[in-house]
Amino acid sequence: DAGVTQSPTHLIKTRGQQVTLRCSPKSGHDTVSWYQQALGQGPQFIFQYYEEEERQRGNFPDRFSGHQFPNYSSELNVNALLLGDSALYLCASGRAGTNEKLFFGSGTQLSVL
Amino acid sequence: AQKVTQAQTEISVVEKEDVTLDCVYETRDTTYYLFWYKQPPSGELVFLIRRNSFDEQNEISGRYSWNFQKSTSSFNFTITASQVGDSAVYFCALSDDYGGSQGNLIFGKGTKLSVKP
Repeated sequence: DAGVTQSPTHLIKTRGQQVTLRCSPKSGHDTVSWYQQALGQGPQFIFQYYEEEERQRGNFPDRFSGHQFPNYSSELNVNALLLGDSALYLCASGRAGTNEKLFFGSGTQLSVL
Repeated sequence: AQKVTQAQTEISVVEKEDVTLDCVYETRDTTYYLFWYKQPPSGELVFLIRRNSFDEQNEISGRYSWNFQKSTSSFNFTITASQVGDSAVYFCALSDDYGGSQGNLIFGKGTKLSVKP
C-alpha cells in the first residue's frame, strides 16, 4: 500500500515563474493538506482540501492556490515566485471525520533563483 | 493565538545517553491535541504520538516517553538509551482537531538531535 507520494522531488525555478506541485494521498484518504517548510523552520500550514474544496487556509497570499481532483489527488500552484518561496513543500493526507493520524509525504524541494 | 515553542535548537549526545526534548505550547482552547513528529534527512514527517488535553497521563513506548503537564503548558519528550538512528529533527505540534484530520497543525521550529557513537 503506497503512502503519500509527491512529485517532483526537486524543482528549480526563477523569480516570477509559476510552479505546480502534485500529491497523491494514501489509499483510503480523502483530505489533503499542504505545508511549507523553510530551512531550519517547522512546517507552516498553507491550506487543506476536502471534497474538491478548500476547507481551511493558513496565512499565505493568494499567489498560493490549489486544487483537489475527484480521485483525491491534489495540486499546489504558486504564481509569481519569490526567492522567499524556496522551501520544502510537504503534503499530508487524512480521512475526514475520523481521528486517524495524518500521513506525510517526503516533500518537494523548491529552489527559486 | 496558538503557538508552540521548542527552545532547544540543537542537542548532541553520545549513544546510550538519555535526552529530553522540551516543548511549551500556548492556546486558548480548552480542547486541543499535542503531537510529536520525527523528521529524518529523507524529509518525511514520521508520527510519534498524539495526546488530547484531557489526558495528562504520561505515556511510554519502548525507549520513548512523554510528560504532559497542563499546569506548565508543556509536553516534553524523553528518549532513553539513545541510538545513532534517533538522529533527526523532532517537532512538537498543536492542533484543535483530534487526529489532525483537518490538517491544521501548528508546529514548533524543531530540535535537531545528533546522537554520536
